[in-house]
Amino acid sequence: RKEVEQDPGPFNVPEGATVAFNCTYSNSASQSFFWYRQDCRKEPKLLMSVYSSGNEDGRFTAQLNRASQYISLLIRDSKLSDSATYLCVVNEPSGTYKYIFGTGTRLKVLA
Amino acid sequence: EAQVTQNPRYLITVTGKKLTVTCSQNMNHEYMSWYRQDPGLGLRQIYYSMNVEVTDKGDVPEGYKVSRKEKRNFPLILESPSPNQTSLYFCASSRQGNLLGANYGYTFGSGTRLTVV
Repeated sequence: RKEVEQDPGPFNVPEGATVAFNCTYSNSASQSFFWYRQDCRKEPKLLMSVYSSGNEDGRFTAQLNRASQYISLLIRDSKLSDSATYLCVVNEPSGTYKYIFGTGTRLKVLA
Repeated sequence: EAQVTQNPRYLITVTGKKLTVTCSQNMNHEYMSWYRQDPGLGLRQIYYSMNVEVTDKGDVPEGYKVSRKEKRNFPLILESPSPNQTSLYFCASSRQGNLLGANYGYTFGSGTRLTVV
């Protein structure tokens, strides 16, 4: 089993749709979780951290389910500019600053 | 502007010719890391550094060296590049986590696209 798994997609959705991505992780002791966004051939950019209580930033909502070991990202009212690859990131809880990246889920928002 | 700066952005080189990719951050971050990104494999960590003179291997360190003599700089050295090191490379930095154990996530440089022929 991969340490961090994501559905590669692509998810093709119309503008205005709501779309959700899930990401599962294998190490139950992981402590920090993030969603990054990566545009084609560009650097990943931090979208949001994921907290145990869940958190929201505008149209984006992130949730953490420790019991089932997954995190989710919900995007409401999708925009064309949301088209990108979304990377799930989990830290390795070894006292070091090592992060494990998922291979990403590709989203295409269609006009 | 807070940023991580990598140079060069693009590099084509020949097998065996030593090269260095520079990385510098202006945010006084403790943590720095190098990743390579390959299609279907995602981002894989090469080396990371928790502070000056403290470095450790990531998942794919073979064929690479790093050094952290100053807090702001973290160069990646390929002593004898080979074609399987053709990849997109990213440097990243982050500040130290807080006492509650939360970490802050990385800020990435713009990437270096390396081709070894």
